[in-house]
Amino acid sequence: AQSVSQHNHHVILSEAASLELGCNYSYGGTVNLFWYVQYPGQHLQLLLKYFSGDPLVKGIKGFEAEFIKSKFSFNLRKPSVQWSDTAEYFCAVNGADSNYQLIWGAGTKLIIKP
Amino acid sequence: ETGVTQSPTHLIKTRGQQVTLRCSSQSGHNTVSWYQQALGQGPQFIFQYYREEENGRGNFPPRFSGLQFPNYSSELNVNALELDDSALYLCASSPLGLAGGSEQYFGPGTRLTVT
Repeated sequence: AQSVSQHNHHVILSEAASLELGCNYSYGGTVNLFWYVQYPGQHLQLLLKYFSGDPLVKGIKGFEAEFIKSKFSFNLRKPSVQWSDTAEYFCAVNGADSNYQLIWGAGTKLIIKP
Repeated sequence: ETGVTQSPTHLIKTRGQQVTLRCSSQSGHNTVSWYQQALGQGPQFIFQYYREEENGRGNFPPRFSGLQFPNYSSELNVNALELDDSALYLCASSPLGLAGGSEQYFGPGTRLTVT
């Protein structure tokens, strides 16, 4: 079955620490990969996406993610987090095999201590 | 440019009742998707509408139904409400159908509580 797994449900970091949030997926066929973010009191918004090409994708606010096909992973990274990065982060995948329905991970709640 | 809007913001219903949730898509978007997000979980795809036709459905029973109107706004109807239907219902619009993986723009959601 198609699924997305986010390894950490809660992450707490201090400002300036480096961040890596894990995302693994189980999916046959070609995939599109997404990271969405939900800041407190705001809508879900797209952080970055991978469709094809360079597996290292850069998004908004200094975030990046690397698609490693052999590991079925799409981990999110940021070299130095800020207090304003406190939010919930969701990894999602779709593709032709699921009729392009987005399949979501359970989310990771990130808290940055000032 | 107006973003995706949803109404109402919050709703409390009794088990067995019916509910209608509404969504106005972002200007220029002809595709609307609906998601259910239970507490502590990621969104689950309910269905998608493209140019007023259902264009994909997730693993939800037929008592979850929808409509899309000529102006591309949409409704989600749930009949015979169950306690497990309590969740945040999200609407997302996109300028193309899901094919090609176009970005979806989300509304703030409707929080439904079934008692």
